[in-house]
Amino acid sequence: DSGVTQTPKHLITATGQRVTLRCSPRSGDLSVYWYQQSLDQGLQFLIQYYNGEERAKGNILERFSAQQFPDLHSELNLSSLELGDSALYFCASRPPLTDTQYFGPGTRLTVL
Amino acid sequence: DAKTTQPNSMESNEEEPVHLPCNHSTISGTDYIHWYRQLPSQGPEYVIHGLTSNVNNRMASLAIAEDRKSSTLILHRATLRDAAVYYCILRDSDDKIIFGKGTRLHILP
Repeated sequence: DSGVTQTPKHLITATGQRVTLRCSPRSGDLSVYWYQQSLDQGLQFLIQYYNGEERAKGNILERFSAQQFPDLHSELNLSSLELGDSALYFCASRPPLTDTQYFGPGTRLTVL
Repeated sequence: DAKTTQPNSMESNEEEPVHLPCNHSTISGTDYIHWYRQLPSQGPEYVIHGLTSNVNNRMASLAIAEDRKSSTLILHRATLRDAAVYYCILRDSDDKIIFGKGTRLHILP
């Protein structure tokens, strides 16, 4: 158990819909990262937040957005969903003064 | 992040050592070499990292070539639970992790 929690574990929805994925980092970790893992693309970095502020952006679509709240939990919002958005979405957090990221168990999103 | 090259897959017998190679010929002086692994149906898990010297921890050892253009992750005694995809990653001041395809390690009982 990494200490990072993600909800829900599984999500099934239809094309065109909007969903919110939630991540709670390890206690004391200010940095949160989101990654997408699909069969054809592998693990891709989406976005990073540090203490509520966006720090870095990767291959995140404009239909996707994220935020980090004052209690440091983070949400990833996916809208106008397409079949190709079906994937595993991982959240990771990093303790201060270390280089190690701790990953959550992921949310499996299925878009039908 | 600089690029790394790993074999697509490897096989090893249970209870034997495993040497997982990684080439990173374009590594820069400030790049750290990190290894993560992803067990089936789980998120990636940190294994080990180093800069120049060889490193040991409870999970594995990391042997880094003198010119730093390659490294090897060593699992001293593989178990069935070590079957996973192993990612070799170079990281500098960038915080994000750029994952490659990794090496899928199969452990034979």
